[in-house]
Amino acid sequence: DADVTQTPRNRITKTGKRIMLECSQTKGHDRMYWYRQDPGLGLQLIYYSFDVKDINKGEISDGYSVSRQAQAKFSLSLESAIPNQTALYFCATSDPTGTGAGELFFGEGSRLTVL
Amino acid sequence: AQSVTQPDIHITVSEGASLELRCNYSYGATPYLFWYVQSPGQGLQLLLKYFSGDTLVQGIKGFEAEFKRSQSSFNLRKPSVHWSDAAEYFCAVVPISGTYKYIFGTGTRLKVLA
Repeated sequence: DADVTQTPRNRITKTGKRIMLECSQTKGHDRMYWYRQDPGLGLQLIYYSFDVKDINKGEISDGYSVSRQAQAKFSLSLESAIPNQTALYFCATSDPTGTGAGELFFGEGSRLTVL
Repeated sequence: AQSVTQPDIHITVSEGASLELRCNYSYGATPYLFWYVQSPGQGLQLLLKYFSGDTLVQGIKGFEAEFKRSQSSFNLRKPSVHWSDAAEYFCAVVPISGTYKYIFGTGTRLKVLA
């Protein structure tokens, strides 16, 4: 099984619908992230969480919300999906170690299409 | 403004040829530096990282990168490209101070000709 699991892997929905993307990890990391990938734009940070009680907005949080249900689970919600939220979404985890910036471990992505 | 630049959107090389992918950053102090690779349909995987010390860093799959402080660059190299190296490559930085958020470049898509 993958260390970072995202569900669903693919989802097609309609404008105005509420969508939840789920992420679970078995790496035991405290830090979890949600990124959005659009062609030519790289990865943009939506939200990040350094522990269960610490959730922070990233660069593009408008229209999104998150929930950190446990150390291992971090969900991303689109309250009312719109077409320009069509993208590939990645969950990632990290363990900062002594340097403060450890490797990011990524899930395989959730492709969301909003019609 | 703080930024990470990958000037090449697409690069095509022949199998067996050498490869260099460019990455430049703009920060007040040397950040932590990373290269990630994304194969089709997959998440990103770490190739290598630089925190301090020797400026030539070895990574997985035969890749290496050289940090040049004077040029604010962290270019990725491979002496001989294999067809399986076709993927998208992302440079990322993490500022040393602050919240340790990763900032990614826009990526370089590598095509390998047989």
